[in-house]
Amino acid sequence: QVQLVESGGGVVQPGRSLRLSCAASGFTFRNYGMHWVRQAPGKGLEWVGVIWYDGSNKYYADSVKGRLTISRDNSENTVSLQMNSLRAEDTAVYYCARNLGVSNSFHMDVWGRGTTVTVSS
Amino acid sequence: QSVLTQPPSASGTPGQRVTISCFGSSSNIGSYTVNWYQQLPGTAPKVLIYNNDQRPSGVPDRFSASKSRTSASLAISGLQSEDEADYYCAAWDDSLKGAFGGGTKLTVL
Repeated sequence: QVQLVESGGGVVQPGRSLRLSCAASGFTFRNYGMHWVRQAPGKGLEWVGVIWYDGSNKYYADSVKGRLTISRDNSENTVSLQMNSLRAEDTAVYYCARNLGVSNSFHMDVWGRGTTVTVSS
Repeated sequence: QSVLTQPPSASGTPGQRVTISCFGSSSNIGSYTVNWYQQLPGTAPKVLIYNNDQRPSGVPDRFSASKSRTSASLAISGLQSEDEADYYCAAWDDSLKGAFGGGTKLTVL
């Protein structure tokens, strides 16, 4: 079945780095753009960024630009989120989600269950 | 604060009709399609409405949505206890960023 599974979350000190991964299965991964969305404890959804189906374009929220980087490996059916210079405000559940339709549809039809990142000393 | 504006809460009794509004601007809702996401407690979000007013298969027709210029609304008719959840509107923005509303917590009284 169509599935996204995130991994790599954990507890990390401020200023350190962490890399999240999202493994896709059940569909032709290389045909879809992929988003990362996060949710801080007790807060709403915050879009983090997107990578186009072929990796040619990547866009980020202002709050993470320059610190978080999205990449993908279409041969391994994975999308990653490299998180550098982490801050307490990056503490959240991180979801990867598949974009359906045109690149700017923002229609996320498949979501993973999320992985939790806690930034704390 | 969020680019898209939603009321933080809404409520209704079983069987009632409830609407949730979402206000944006010409750079997001005014230019792109609106999607609505439902997040049940403790779970990942799921798409409820896409392309302004389309329901994915499996979403009951009690859920409907519309868009007008720079605003959108989600309507839930025949409210049920299982509809108690957080609801988010979302749209792409000309700034090449995704935008979510702040979310509306729906309580079924």
